[in-house]
Amino acid sequence: DTGVSQDPRHKITKRGQNVTFRCDPISEHNRLYWYRQTLGQGPEFLTYFQNEAQLEKSRLLSDRFSAERPKGSFSTLEIQRTEQGDSAMYLCASSFSGAENYGYTFGSGTRLTVV
Amino acid sequence: LAKTTQPISMDSYEGQEVNITCSHNNIATNDYITWYQQFPSQGPRFIIQGYKTKVTNEVASLFIPADRKSSTLSLPRVSLSDTAVYYCLVVGGFQKLVFGTGTRLLVSP
Repeated sequence: DTGVSQDPRHKITKRGQNVTFRCDPISEHNRLYWYRQTLGQGPEFLTYFQNEAQLEKSRLLSDRFSAERPKGSFSTLEIQRTEQGDSAMYLCASSFSGAENYGYTFGSGTRLTVV
Repeated sequence: LAKTTQPISMDSYEGQEVNITCSHNNIATNDYITWYQQFPSQGPRFIIQGYKTKVTNEVASLFIPADRKSSTLSLPRVSLSDTAVYYCLVVGGFQKLVFGTGTRLLVSP
C-alpha cells in the first residue's frame, strides 16, 4: 500500500463547471476526511466518513459540494457550479478508528484552479 | 477544542537545533498534543505526538511540561530539507484535526 492517493493532482476548470475528485485511502483505514487548504492557511475540515457513513460536515461545505464513499473504500468529492472562491488544494486523509495516536495519513492533494 | 498559538515564522541555519513552542492554555485532561509537517504542494505529514513529559522518535522530540499548557517541538541539527510549515494541534479522543496557520520554518545554508 502506497498511502493515500488523490486524483487528479491538478485541475483547471471554468467557472460554472462541475468537478469531481477521487481519494483512495489506505486500505485498512475506515475513516476518511476531506480538507481544503488555501494559500498561507492551514487545512480546513470539510467532512469525514466512517466506513460509508458521512458523519460530519462542516459549514464550509455548501450545497454545491457533495462527498460520497459508496463502499467504504474510495471517496469522491464533487463541486457543482464552481466559483473562483473554490480555488484551493483539496486534501484527503485517512485513519483507523482507535488508532488516532498514529495520526492521519494525508494524500498529496488535488489543486483546483477555477478560471 | 483547545486553541493553539505558535510563532508565525522562524529562521535557522543548517546544523542548528530548532525549537518551536506552542501554547495551549485550555488543553483538557484527555487531550494529547500532535505535530504535523507540511511541504509545499503536499499534504501534512504526522511527525510526533505526546501526552506529557518527553517523547522522542527518529525525526523529533516533543517536550511537554507538567501543566501541559505548552509544548515544544525540537528538531535536532536541521537541514535545508526541514524547511516547511509545522502545525501544532491538540486533539482529544476522536476529534477531527483542526489546523491553525502553523509555523513557517526556513532553514538557510
